[in-house]
Amino acid sequence: DAGVIQSPRHEVTEMGQEVTLRCKPISGHDYLFWYRQTMMRGLELLIYFNNNVPIDDSGMPEDRFSAKMPNASFSTLKIQPSEPRDSAVYFCASSEGRPEQPQHFGDGTRLSIL
Amino acid sequence: AQKITQTQPGMFVQEKEAVTLDCTYDTSDPSYGLFWYKQPSSGEMIFLIYQGSYDQQNATEGRYSLNFQKARKSANLVISASQLGDSAMYFCAMREVLTGTYKYIFGTGTRLKVLA
Repeated sequence: DAGVIQSPRHEVTEMGQEVTLRCKPISGHDYLFWYRQTMMRGLELLIYFNNNVPIDDSGMPEDRFSAKMPNASFSTLKIQPSEPRDSAVYFCASSEGRPEQPQHFGDGTRLSIL
Repeated sequence: AQKITQTQPGMFVQEKEAVTLDCTYDTSDPSYGLFWYKQPSSGEMIFLIYQGSYDQQNATEGRYSLNFQKARKSANLVISASQLGDSAMYFCAMREVLTGTYKYIFGTGTRLKVLA
C-alpha cells in the first residue's frame, strides 16, 4: 500500500515567495495532519482535518499560513509570503478515525527560505 | 500544561543491552491511546508501538515493549537487545478520545545513541 506522499521533498526559495506543500494521504484515512519540525521548537501541530474539514488550526503561526483539503486525497499547505524563519521540515500525516490507529507520516518536505 | 513529558533529552546505551525511555502523560480523558515513534537521522517518522488506556497487558512488538503504569500515568518504552540501528530520536504521543479532538499530542523526544 502506498503511504502518505508529500511533495516536494526539498524546496529552496527566496524570502517573499509563495510556497506550496502538497500531501496525498493514505486512502481511507479520515484525518490529515500538518506538522512543522525545527530544532528549536520540536514537532508542532499546525492544523488537522477530519473528512476534509479543518478541525483545529490553532497551531498555524500566522495569517501567512493557510491549508486546504479540497478532497479526501489531497491537501496543501501554503506560505505567502515566506520568511527565513519558516525554514523547517514540514510533515503531513494521516490516520483512521479509530483511536487505536497510529498516524502514518510522509517523508516530509525540507523547506529552506533564503 | 504539557500533556506529554519526556524528561531525557539524550541517552546512551551499550549495544545488546536494554534501555528504557521515559514518558509521562497528563489527561482527564478516561479513554486514550499512547504511541511511540522513532525518527532516525534520515528524518522519517516510524510508528513503533501502541497502548490503549483500557488495555490490561503491556504492549509488545518484537524488541519493543511498553511499560504502562496507568496510576502513575507513565508509558515507558523498553528496547531490548539494543542495536546500532536503534540510534534515533524517539517520541511519545497521546491521542485523547472522549474529548473528541482526536489529535495526537507529542513529547519533545529523547535522542538515543547506541554504542558499539
